[in-house]
Amino acid sequence: RKEVEQDPGPFNVPEGATVAFNCTYSNSASQSFFWYRQDCRKEPKLLMSVYSSGNEDGRFTAQLNRASQYISLLIRDSKLSDSATYLCVVNSAGSARQLTFGSGTQLTVLP
Amino acid sequence: DAGITQSPRYKITETGRQVTLMCHQTWSHSYMFWYRQDLGHGLRLIYYSAAADITDKGEVPDGYVVSRSKTENFPLTLESATRSQTSVYFCASSEPGALTNYGYTFGSGTRLTVV
Repeated sequence: RKEVEQDPGPFNVPEGATVAFNCTYSNSASQSFFWYRQDCRKEPKLLMSVYSSGNEDGRFTAQLNRASQYISLLIRDSKLSDSATYLCVVNSAGSARQLTFGSGTQLTVLP
Repeated sequence: DAGITQSPRYKITETGRQVTLMCHQTWSHSYMFWYRQDLGHGLRLIYYSAAADITDKGEVPDGYVVSRSKTENFPLTLESATRSQTSVYFCASSEPGALTNYGYTFGSGTRLTVV
């Protein structure tokens, strides 16, 4: 079983739609959680950290469910510029200094 | 400019040749990492370094060598390149105390093709 699992998609949604991505992780001792965004042929960039109480940044909301070892990302009012691959990221088993990346979920927002 | 830079951006090399990918950061971050990204595998950790002269293996270290004589530089060497090492290589850095809020910052990547 992979440490971090995501639905690869692709998700194709119209502008203005709400879309949700889910991610599960296998190590119950994981402490740090993130969503990264990666545009085609570019480096991953931090979208947001995910905190236990859940957190919001504009149109983006991240949730963490430690009991189910599940992370989610909700994007409201999708924009064309949101088209990218979204990576779920968790600190690796045994080390808070190493992050393990999911394979990513591809999102295309259609006009 | 401040940041993390990788060079070269693109590299084509022949099977069996040695090639070195460079990574330089100006933040004096303690931690530096090398990942490779391939379709179907996502990002996989090759090597990481907690400080100058301290390096350790990641998930896929075979065929690679790293060194870190200075905090700001973390070169990755393919000792004898193979076609299976054709990939996009990303360098990243982080500061331990800031990991929870800021994660890693990545360089722009090196696209390596081994022919």
